[in-house]
Amino acid sequence: DTAVSQTPKYLVTQMGNDKSIKCEQNLGHDTMYWYKQDSKKFLKIMFSYNNKELIINETVPNRFSPKSPDKAHLNLHINSLELGDSAVYFCASSITGRLFFGSGTQLSVL
Amino acid sequence: AQSVSQHNHHVILSEAASLELGCNYSYGGTVNLFWYVQYPGQHLQLLLKYFSGDPLVKGIKGFEAEFIKSKFSFNLRKPSVQWSDTAEYFCAVNAGSNTGKLIFGQGTTLQVKP
Repeated sequence: DTAVSQTPKYLVTQMGNDKSIKCEQNLGHDTMYWYKQDSKKFLKIMFSYNNKELIINETVPNRFSPKSPDKAHLNLHINSLELGDSAVYFCASSITGRLFFGSGTQLSVL
Repeated sequence: AQSVSQHNHHVILSEAASLELGCNYSYGGTVNLFWYVQYPGQHLQLLLKYFSGDPLVKGIKGFEAEFIKSKFSFNLRKPSVQWSDTAEYFCAVNAGSNTGKLIFGQGTTLQVKP
């Protein structure tokens, strides 16, 4: 059983398009996250939701909009994609500070 | 602001060599410390964590790390590496608040030659 699953694994798209990445966790955790890993492998938190409520928003452009329909899901929608958005996006959930990561979505903007 | 620094960006070792990866953080209060590993093409997995208690923590696959509060360090060690340890290693810290907002170091690429 996959604990944190995200789709798609790879996403290749043109500049200016709008795309979504989906994430689901079956661990029963209340808190979910989106992290971004850039080309230099540097990981940085983007958003955190606790029980469907936004609790962390780390100065991310408002082209990025997370949506949490329930506490098991946290989707990431990106409008007007730019070249600089190319990265690997990791979804995660947590309990007592320990993160469980999804396998990542490699986004390539052409 | 909290920050995490990993001194070694790229480490190349032969099998059976000993490993030590450095990690220093900047934060004056109580911290939780983590080491995560990312095998090629896979997601990040927790190797070990320190919340409190014995500063020498043991993780999976023979890894251990020592928290030295006076040096703000949490170095990762393994006495004898294997080819399968080839991966990216990330040190991370949060401010002891039990949140998942981790501040990550820039990562260390470990390449183990058979």
